[in-house]
Amino acid sequence: DGGITQSPKYLFRKEGQNVTLSCEQNLNHDAMYWYRQDPGQGLRLIYYSQIVNDFQKGDIAEGYSVSREKKESFPLTVTSAQKNPTAFYLCASSIVASGGYTFGSGTRLTVV
Amino acid sequence: DQQVKQNSPSLSVQEGRISILNCDYTNSMFDYFLWYKKYPAEGPTFLISISSIKDKNEDGRFTVFLNKSAKHLSLHIVPSQPGDSAVYFCAASAGNQGGKLIFGQGTELSVKP
Repeated sequence: DGGITQSPKYLFRKEGQNVTLSCEQNLNHDAMYWYRQDPGQGLRLIYYSQIVNDFQKGDIAEGYSVSREKKESFPLTVTSAQKNPTAFYLCASSIVASGGYTFGSGTRLTVV
Repeated sequence: DQQVKQNSPSLSVQEGRISILNCDYTNSMFDYFLWYKKYPAEGPTFLISISSIKDKNEDGRFTVFLNKSAKHLSLHIVPSQPGDSAVYFCAASAGNQGGKLIFGQGTELSVKP
């Protein structure tokens, strides 16, 4: 079955540490996205990539980094520079310009 | 600068009645609109969409209405069921932005038996 997989589902990080969230898709979608969900703020775009080896900053990219070395994979690194990293992170993919996303099941990151 | 706004954070409806969720947008370049449904600790799932060339799209109990002049869309659920209780996100995209979706803040719908 085609889909998009995020791992792990729950992640705990100590302050000052970098952490990488995994996102893999086997839908053959060109575009991939990372969003962050906070209560009352909806889904805010962190980074997106429309093609391998290329990506663009979204609305809240500060403190995050990404890579897109393979079409199937779009990992997100939450760096120690991110001031408030505790949130629910969602990865999505789409056929570019189709308008519809397929979402992963999310990763809950908690900084302790 | 919130380009897509859902001004009602929550809505409570009795089972069997109509639920109406509203969404406003500011960018006149948006030409495709979607509604997603999200349960806690899960990713959103696609519900229904509408292109700007239409003013209504229907899929079973779900209907989306688009009023381009008012830059407003709404999702109607008839009849509402307890399983519809979730957070609903409105999203919009512009054809010249390569499919990037801008989401609203979400409305939490509670359908009471």
